[in-house]
Amino acid sequence: EDQVTQSPEALRLQEGESSSLNCSYTVSGLRGLFWYRQDPGKGPEFLFTLYSAGEEKEKERLKATLTKKESFLHITAPKPEDSATYLCAVQASTGANNLFFGTGTRLTVIP
Amino acid sequence: ETGVTQSPTHLIKTRGQQVTLRCSSQSGHNTVSWYQQALGQGPQFIFQYYREEENGRGNFPPRFSGLQFPNYSSELNVNALELDDSALYLCASSLPDRGDTEAFFGQGTRLTVV
Repeated sequence: EDQVTQSPEALRLQEGESSSLNCSYTVSGLRGLFWYRQDPGKGPEFLFTLYSAGEEKEKERLKATLTKKESFLHITAPKPEDSATYLCAVQASTGANNLFFGTGTRLTVIP
Repeated sequence: ETGVTQSPTHLIKTRGQQVTLRCSSQSGHNTVSWYQQALGQGPQFIFQYYREEENGRGNFPPRFSGLQFPNYSSELNVNALELDDSALYLCASSLPDRGDTEAFFGQGTRLTVV
């Protein structure tokens, strides 16, 4: 059965203090691993898709990496506006192309 | 902005009632997926429609049903509402025909069952 575990559940950082969020996954054939950002009461906002181990993608202060069992979202020198919940999801290579989500990491960046 | 719009944004219903939520997909996207997100949880897959046919379903009872129209907009219907149905309902559109795997979400409908 597909499984996605994100850690930590919550993270408080000082502005400028870099850190990483973890997403461990089990899936019967990976089509893609996705990172989304979600602000309170809003829909998830797409950040990255990673398809194969060793792949990396960057966007502003965010960098996502992928291995065969986990993905990391590295946040470099975060700002208060980076505060949000970050969701990781996997898409299996068989069946409907739906997303299977973890419960997210709630990030708070303190000025 | 993703171009995916949902209505209404908020809704309050009484236990036992029925509700219909609506979603307009991003222009050109022929696949719509619906998710339920309880407070503090990740979104859970309800079902997906591809070119007006159901293309997969998550672990939700039959009282959750849906439709997709020729213009690819979609409806989610929930009958016999229960208190546990209170959640944020999300619609996501995508275009898998082109090999695009990304799904783009609307802002959601917050349903409260009392």
